[in-house]
Amino acid sequence: EAGVVQSPRYKIIEKKQPVAFWCNPISGHNTLYWYLQNLGQGPELLIRYENEEAVDDSQLPKDRFSAERLKGVDSTLKIQPAELGDSAVYLCASSLGDASTDTQYFGPGTRLTVL
Amino acid sequence: GQNIDQPTEMTATEGAIVQINCTYQTSGFNGLFWYQQHAGEAPTFLSYNVLDGLEEKGRFSSFLSRSKGYSYLLLKELQMKDSASYLCAVRSYAGNNRKLIWGLGTSLAVNP
Repeated sequence: EAGVVQSPRYKIIEKKQPVAFWCNPISGHNTLYWYLQNLGQGPELLIRYENEEAVDDSQLPKDRFSAERLKGVDSTLKIQPAELGDSAVYLCASSLGDASTDTQYFGPGTRLTVL
Repeated sequence: GQNIDQPTEMTATEGAIVQINCTYQTSGFNGLFWYQQHAGEAPTFLSYNVLDGLEEKGRFSSFLSRSKGYSYLLLKELQMKDSASYLCAVRSYAGNNRKLIWGLGTSLAVNP
């Protein structure tokens, strides 16, 4: 079974430019997460979707970040305009969304460098 | 507030046993996860504990004491490939909202 797929794996942009990340979750996983991870830190949740509904976007900087999951499967995270401090790894994860274990499985991440 | 503490770094020798501790303070506790993350890679799931006690899975075991807000990950017969960061994460419920609160990770170096 395929895992969580993310693209691109690496992205280098200049500040003030836009950037977009794409995620395809594990088939059948209703819940999708976008995280940001800085070096030596744990993942920080940006947004959580249950199907196509964003149920927790409290940590998403909405002035520059946006996300969508139009058909409840793939998702896109966008930053516009990017700032130097946005350099980080952006991780996508998915889970079944059941009430029991609900283990999250991560994609390989997109390493963003803003110059 | 909600808080997770784990040591920043640990060093161990190949073939030895190492225990990585995690203490937490959360409301609405609903399970604790351990993930392994190699440098430049995504976190991978290792274990899940929701009841007190020890869960064994091959060379790795995880223990939970809910009354003490404490967990540990035990790695036996260490191998060089076990050098990685180990992340403790606690699932917390607040109303209808569930969150996974992450520790900063423990960087384990396994030396020959």
